[in-house]
Amino acid sequence: DAGVIQSPRHEVTEMGQEVTLRCKLISGHNSLFWYRQTMMRGLELLIYFNNNVPIDDSGMPEDRFSAKMPNASFSTLKIQPSEPRDSAVYFCASRAGQGLRGEQFFGPGTRLTVL
Amino acid sequence: GESVGLHLPTLSVQEGDNSIINCAYSNSASDYFIWYKQESGKGPQFIIDIRSNMDKRQGQRVTVLLNKTVKHLSLQIAATQPGDSAVYFCAEKDGGGADGLTFGKGTHLIIQP
Repeated sequence: DAGVIQSPRHEVTEMGQEVTLRCKLISGHNSLFWYRQTMMRGLELLIYFNNNVPIDDSGMPEDRFSAKMPNASFSTLKIQPSEPRDSAVYFCASRAGQGLRGEQFFGPGTRLTVL
Repeated sequence: GESVGLHLPTLSVQEGDNSIINCAYSNSASDYFIWYKQESGKGPQFIIDIRSNMDKRQGQRVTVLLNKTVKHLSLQIAATQPGDSAVYFCAEKDGGGADGLTFGKGTHLIIQP
């Protein structure tokens, strides 16, 4: 298994542009988590899905951020319009179980720079 | 608000010595704790976990200790190796039902030859 796949690995864009980050879950996993990592705030949970349904999006910074799961194995995180303060490393993680069962497996991350 | 934090941002140890990384948490409703290791340019990697009904759990060269009385978590790494150099995060899960993890800021473990 290739593990969690994220693309692109690096993204440099200008303020005001739309950014789309992509994540492919591990086959058979049914939960998907999006995290953001910065030096100042560390790793923060943005949103997570169970069985394609968004469960908790309280970590999404504002309406400029949106996430979807068009199918059971794929998710996108979109930022529109992007701002310099959105610069961070964005991770997705997938998990097989719910509750206390199942480890979260992290992807390699997408490093986003907004100029 | 509730938070998970680490005592030391950087820990330097000699190769072969034991390492102890500490973590304080403040959410008394947390019922599950995990240690992750993050190497440069990579995503966090699961090391070991512990549920709140336990106070100790051992893995291969790693031990996690949980003291619920003082809300303290520690990760012990035996016979530290160069490959152990990384940032270590503790994370906790609220027992209220939400599945997301709250991460601490991280401790950078540096192995001296």
